[in-house]
Amino acid sequence: ETGVTQSPTHLIKTRGQQVTLRCSSQSGHNTVSWYQQALGQGPQFIFQYYREEENGRGNFPPRFSGLQFPNYSSELNVNALELDDSALYLCASSLARGSYNEQFFGPGTRLTVL
Amino acid sequence: RKEVEQDPGPFNVPEGATVAFNCTYSNSASQSFFWYRQDCRKEPKLLMSVYSSGNEDGRFTAQLNRASQYISLLIRDSKLSDSATYLCVAPTSGTYKYIFGTGTRLKVLA
Repeated sequence: ETGVTQSPTHLIKTRGQQVTLRCSSQSGHNTVSWYQQALGQGPQFIFQYYREEENGRGNFPPRFSGLQFPNYSSELNVNALELDDSALYLCASSLARGSYNEQFFGPGTRLTVL
Repeated sequence: RKEVEQDPGPFNVPEGATVAFNCTYSNSASQSFFWYRQDCRKEPKLLMSVYSSGNEDGRFTAQLNRASQYISLLIRDSKLSDSATYLCVAPTSGTYKYIFGTGTRLKVLA
């Protein structure tokens, strides 16, 4: 196991609602990245947090926002949910930022928007 | 052109066979690459990191060809347990973004 945990494991919401997903990084890791994975696709980068600051962002609208806490755990918030937001949301932690650093994934949160 | 491209497969191979997947990337500045394995409805698990020309770990070998901008994954003596989707990753240099391919499905048949 990677030591990266996520909660909840499954979630069902309706359009227009808001959701918060949580991630605890592996011990010693200060960087957390969030990904959205639709069925049959590879994970799509949402954003990365390094030492409580957003360190990079993919092509996702502002209603996708995040936080990182002093213990390096992180939250992903999605406002005004749309049907297309239904996906597996993955967080990954790494020892540091930078493209050489291996990322280790949590088990994911499966979000269904009705 | 997609930043990272993979043949989605599926590749159906018998047990014991050797199988190879290719992955092409468009950003010539990418310096490091990764292969992940993903089982159905599970998270990706790191299989191999590739920082220079290649890497080998048991039955798995990854090769990097910078001139042609592709990386390959070779699996020898395939096992039933190798059945999974294999994801190629080419981080964007300087921006820390992991760019994933769509994955290649492998089915090893008894």
